[in-house]
Amino acid sequence: DVKVTQSSRYLVKRTGEKVFLECVQDMDHENMFWYRQDPGLGLRLIYFSYDVKMKEKGDIPEGYSVSREKKERFSLILESASTNQTSMYLCASSFREYSIVGNQPQHFGDGTRLSIL
Amino acid sequence: AQRVTQPEKLLSVFKGAPVELKCNYSYSGSPELFWYVQYSRQRLQLLLRHISRESIKGFTADLNKGETSFHLKKPFAQEEDSAMYYCALSNTNTGGFKTIFGAGTRLFVKA
Repeated sequence: DVKVTQSSRYLVKRTGEKVFLECVQDMDHENMFWYRQDPGLGLRLIYFSYDVKMKEKGDIPEGYSVSREKKERFSLILESASTNQTSMYLCASSFREYSIVGNQPQHFGDGTRLSIL
Repeated sequence: AQRVTQPEKLLSVFKGAPVELKCNYSYSGSPELFWYVQYSRQRLQLLLRHISRESIKGFTADLNKGETSFHLKKPFAQEEDSAMYYCALSNTNTGGFKTIFGAGTRLFVKA
């Protein structure tokens, strides 16, 4: 069974702090993703990575950066946290190859509920 | 532009009643559609995908390219179906790297 582990379930930080959210997967997936989940807005893609040291901006990358130094780990960084970054953050991973049953589905972690005060 | 629309934020039905969660999409190519579900206090997980043409937990979804829809249906709702449901579209041109999610529909099944 695929395991995607996010380092914290709940996190409280102060405005202006640098915040690190960590995600680790154990299924040798090439693709990893970071989303924000907000009521009424669904999941919005922040960044994704399809290989080590590779990263691509998603739909809402402003105020965020990412790091992928190892295949199994994908970190989301809030350079200077602001109150509008209070949200639920979801990490996901998937295989890259297109299989005979189509694109690979994504496997999600439990989420990190981040509050910026 | 690629877009996934779920017009209902909340859907409330009685146990045993049919349920249909609507999903419409806009995409210029040949899309791959998914339904994901998040039960209370559980992680988001795949429910089904159109290409598999399978029924999971009694749910089915048919891709209608003419109406650009991928509605999720179940003939008899159960209380354990209460959850948040997300329709998602995968970009086939980039190997599925980018998936677009709808805003979600919360299904509440009343006893």
